[in-house]
Amino acid sequence: GIQVEQSPPDLILQEGANSTLRCNFSDSVNNLQWFHQNPWGQLINLFYIPSGTKQNGRLSATTVATERYSLLYISSSQTTDSGVYFCAGSPFAGNNRKLIWGLGTSLAVNP
Amino acid sequence: EPEVTQTPSHQVTQMGQEVILRCVPISNHLYFYWYRQILGQKVEFLVSFYNNEISEKSEIFDDQFSVERPDGSNFTLKIRSTKLEDSAMYFCASSEPRGSGEQYFGPGTRLTVT
Repeated sequence: GIQVEQSPPDLILQEGANSTLRCNFSDSVNNLQWFHQNPWGQLINLFYIPSGTKQNGRLSATTVATERYSLLYISSSQTTDSGVYFCAGSPFAGNNRKLIWGLGTSLAVNP
Repeated sequence: EPEVTQTPSHQVTQMGQEVILRCVPISNHLYFYWYRQILGQKVEFLVSFYNNEISEKSEIFDDQFSVERPDGSNFTLKIRSTKLEDSAMYFCASSEPRGSGEQYFGPGTRLTVT
């Protein structure tokens, strides 16, 4: 099955710094999503991005489907950005498809 | 904005007891999923459900697990006889019928088996 590799596994930033998180897939992937898991364990949808680039405030994401990777950019980081960032995708497009998850990047933003 | 809700937020149960975790998917969504996350590990797929039947299930989803849509709004996960290793965060998700396939997640139920 598809393997999802995220890097770096851990990241410590000073408030205001920028960062790039990466997600590599071992095979073609569809329905690619990025999530933020907050300290209470809740999964927050960040982006649905099977290809191309999207931006939402200080966050943006780019997926290069042909090269099987996706990047999440965090600019001007804040302490509330702390938590674990997951990417997930499915081997097939469309609905009713299980998501396969990476191990996540654990981000700590210090004031 | 519509959201997936889950109850309870935290459940503590004794080994061998039955538990039912409840989810209310987004109202116009027709595809439903359960995932779990053991503490400190990655999220794992359990089961997907559409048109009142299971579409796909993982190896984790053995005979101790079942899912049901008892009415037009709820989607439940039942564990018949809980084990210590069932302790995890359980997430429900849903996706819309003619959408892209993007899955929307609930806040999770933290299950602790003692």
